[in-house]
Amino acid sequence: DQQVKQNSPSLSVQEGRISILNCDYTNSMFDYFLWYKKYPAEGPTFLISISSIKDKNEDGRFTVFLNKSAKHLSLHIVPSQPGDSAVYFCAAIKTGANNLFFGTGTRLTVIP
Amino acid sequence: NAGVMQNPRHLVRRRGQEARLRCSPMKGHSHVYWYRQLPEEGLKFMVYLQKENIIDESGMPKERFSAEFPKEGPSILRIQQVVRGDSAAYFCASSPASSGQETQYFGPGTRLLVL
Repeated sequence: DQQVKQNSPSLSVQEGRISILNCDYTNSMFDYFLWYKKYPAEGPTFLISISSIKDKNEDGRFTVFLNKSAKHLSLHIVPSQPGDSAVYFCAAIKTGANNLFFGTGTRLTVIP
Repeated sequence: NAGVMQNPRHLVRRRGQEARLRCSPMKGHSHVYWYRQLPEEGLKFMVYLQKENIIDESGMPKERFSAEFPKEGPSILRIQQVVRGDSAAYFCASSPASSGQETQYFGPGTRLLVL
């Protein structure tokens, strides 16, 4: 039962352009959402998060948007840089619960 | 401040052997989580531990898998009588007691290969 879904396994973007990574969830109890970035042979690294009381959170080049009615969130990276090339995982949790639910990841390639 | 440490980074076992995966949380963190990532899948929660206590093991397979987090030393994920289907990357995460469980910091993972 995949409660968090990332339907695009891969995405290629030109350097300097915007990267948009999408994530959908099915469990309406989730109230906190995170994006992790993962390089090969490394663990996921926390990137940015958003609480369900907000619809946008921005941190430098990274912005996460949350649409609760659609149960959809997206990560925008602008401008994209070659160093952003990695696998991006969306994760969700219900505050007070113990485990994060992860999507299957989207592999972003930023072309110089 | 060292991050979450896991060892070994790679582990090869034959079917029927035991695998022991170790995780040292970040300094000051008393909560440890284990996740498993099968090929082409996302990370899936296995177990959540605090020092000397298993808090939530709802994601652990019912047989052959066990976890501990002793008062001293690292957390251990133990897989007995490994099978080929256990081949995966196993990630440990930790969080401080003062934060919510959502603030989890991950280690580099142990890649288990069962021959």
